[in-house]
Amino acid sequence: GQQLNQSPQSMFIQEGEDVSMNCTSSSIFNTWLWYKQDPGEGPVLLIALYKAGELTSNGRLTAQFGITRKDSFLNISASIPSDVGIYFCAGRGSQGNLIFGKGTKLSVKP
Amino acid sequence: DAGVTQSPTHLIKTRGQHVTLRCSPISGHKSVSWYQQVLGQGPQFIFQYYEKEERGRGNFPDRFSARQFPNYSSELNVNALLLGDSALYLCASSLGWTDPYNEQFFGPGTRLTVL
Repeated sequence: GQQLNQSPQSMFIQEGEDVSMNCTSSSIFNTWLWYKQDPGEGPVLLIALYKAGELTSNGRLTAQFGITRKDSFLNISASIPSDVGIYFCAGRGSQGNLIFGKGTKLSVKP
Repeated sequence: DAGVTQSPTHLIKTRGQHVTLRCSPISGHKSVSWYQQVLGQGPQFIFQYYEKEERGRGNFPDRFSARQFPNYSSELNVNALLLGDSALYLCASSLGWTDPYNEQFFGPGTRLTVL
């Protein structure tokens, strides 16, 4: 079946740093999405991408839809403490369902 | 406007029991999807309903069933609970079904613990 590979699995950030994470797939997707999930909450949609090569921003967040349609990346600029959480990429499957990666956990450097 | 609501928030059951989880979509949304999220993993697709009909099903056993009501709310039923069914069950609503710009918005989930 379709699987999404997210990397890194976890990372530590210091306030003000830029963060980058990516997602790759063995299959082509026509839509890529990025969600953030805080503890005890459901995922919240951050950015949706609909065309290969598309680059979309939402505040300090920027995401790109890879031209092969098999990958996407998410950048966070000038991170702040409330950026901690788990970030998931998702591709839309043929049934309209979402196929998620395993997530990238962002934590604050001790 | 209210987002997606789910009830109950937490539930504890024992093996062999059955459970019913409920979801109310965002007003105006006609599609509801259910996902299972076990600890440390991303959500896994269980069902999608649109206009009261099942439109998609993930790789889950027949112990899992769902339905959508005329007001577009939905129930997820799980029979003969197993320890491995312990998870966060997420409901997501969207305006339609397969439209390309038709995004899914998630509720807070129901945390199910099976003992």
